[in-house]
Amino acid sequence: EAGVAQSPRYKIIEKRQSVAFWCNPISGHATLYWYQQILGQGPKLLIQFQNNGVVDDSQLPKDRFSAERLKGVDSTLKIQPAKLEDSAVYLCASSLMAGGRTNTQYFGPGTRLTVL
Amino acid sequence: GQQLNQSPQSMFIQEGEDVSMNCTSSSIFNTWLWYKQDPGEGPVLLIALYKAGELTSNGRLTAQFGITRKDSFLNISASIPSDVGIYFCAGQNYNFNKFYFGSGTKLNVKP
Repeated sequence: EAGVAQSPRYKIIEKRQSVAFWCNPISGHATLYWYQQILGQGPKLLIQFQNNGVVDDSQLPKDRFSAERLKGVDSTLKIQPAKLEDSAVYLCASSLMAGGRTNTQYFGPGTRLTVL
Repeated sequence: GQQLNQSPQSMFIQEGEDVSMNCTSSSIFNTWLWYKQDPGEGPVLLIALYKAGELTSNGRLTAQFGITRKDSFLNISASIPSDVGIYFCAGQNYNFNKFYFGSGTKLNVKP
């Protein structure tokens, strides 16, 4: 079974530029998560989708971050414009569903973003 | 939001030694997950716990869901160099429908 795919693996941009990340979850997984992981910290949830609907985006900086999962499968996360403090690893995870034993999350390799 | 305290922050041990780390939360969780993250990679699931008191093993790893539902423990027996990495706990309360992660325990194993 293929795991969670993410691209690109690395991205370097200058502040005020825009950037987009792509995620393809495990086949059949209804729930998709985007996390931000700053160096030395645990992942912090940015947004959670259930199929193509948003379940939780309370910690997403909506003035500059946006995400979509239009067909309920793959997803994109965009930052526009980027700030220096956005330098982090952006992790995508998926789970079968969001509750009970089906909520076990599986992570992709992440995209390491450096903002100069 | 939920507070999740993971300790110790880092550990330096000799190959062959046993390791213990734990996570405590400020509120009750219904699920505890333990992950290992290698440099440049995403977290990899080690053990999932769904019931208070549950004790689950995965090879040399054993994790327990605390009876109070506010804590969880991970033990690694007979450590080997490839155990090096950062271990994260994650907890979920169904009412809030999202996971909270600890800040990680960095494990170093000296051959």
